[in-house]
Amino acid sequence: KAGVTQTPRYLIKTRGQQVTLSCSPISGHRSVSWYQQTPGQGLQFLFEYFSETQRNKGNFPGRFSGRQFSNSRSEMNVSTLELGDSALYLCASSLEGDRYTEAFFGQGTRLTVV
Amino acid sequence: DQQVKQNSPSLSVQEGRISILNCDYTNSMFDYFLWYKKYPAEGPTFLISISSIKDKNEDGRFTVFLNKSAKHLSLHIVPSQPGDSAVYFCAAGNFNKFYFGSGTKLNVKP
Repeated sequence: KAGVTQTPRYLIKTRGQQVTLSCSPISGHRSVSWYQQTPGQGLQFLFEYFSETQRNKGNFPGRFSGRQFSNSRSEMNVSTLELGDSALYLCASSLEGDRYTEAFFGQGTRLTVV
Repeated sequence: DQQVKQNSPSLSVQEGRISILNCDYTNSMFDYFLWYKKYPAEGPTFLISISSIKDKNEDGRFTVFLNKSAKHLSLHIVPSQPGDSAVYFCAAGNFNKFYFGSGTKLNVKP
């Protein structure tokens, strides 16, 4: 079966712009989590969506937001981009929500802010 | 405050020998632990996991050990292969909210 698909794979934006990243989970998975990976901080949890609702949220400013559609596809938006937002953004999908199950990661979107 | 720590940023091992990657966590309420492997320019791939009700989980060449009293887990790779060279992340958490370590770069020398 198809894995987790993230688009686009690479993106270059300028400071102050906004960006939207997309994640299509594995078919049947209802939970989608987003992570930011930077060399210095490793992988940091952004938020998790389950059945179109944000259920968990990490410690990121309000410029980072997301949503999930009825088909479980999720988008992440970053407004007023800063240079420090340059990172690899990963999403992971898993089957259920009320207990932890194995998560599968996508290839990521590499965002460069100039 | 880092809830999951991987204190060794790098590890070099000879092919065929054992690789041991270590990870410490601070929150005794974590009930699920996992290891991911990441090659350059790719997303992390899930490797192996362990529930807090177990102390060992084995999958082929990979074995994860969990010591709850010490809040420590380790990943053993036996025998190590050059293709295992990658960055390994450990993660701990529950209910789909989990925390990652900063990673250990493993280099397996032929």
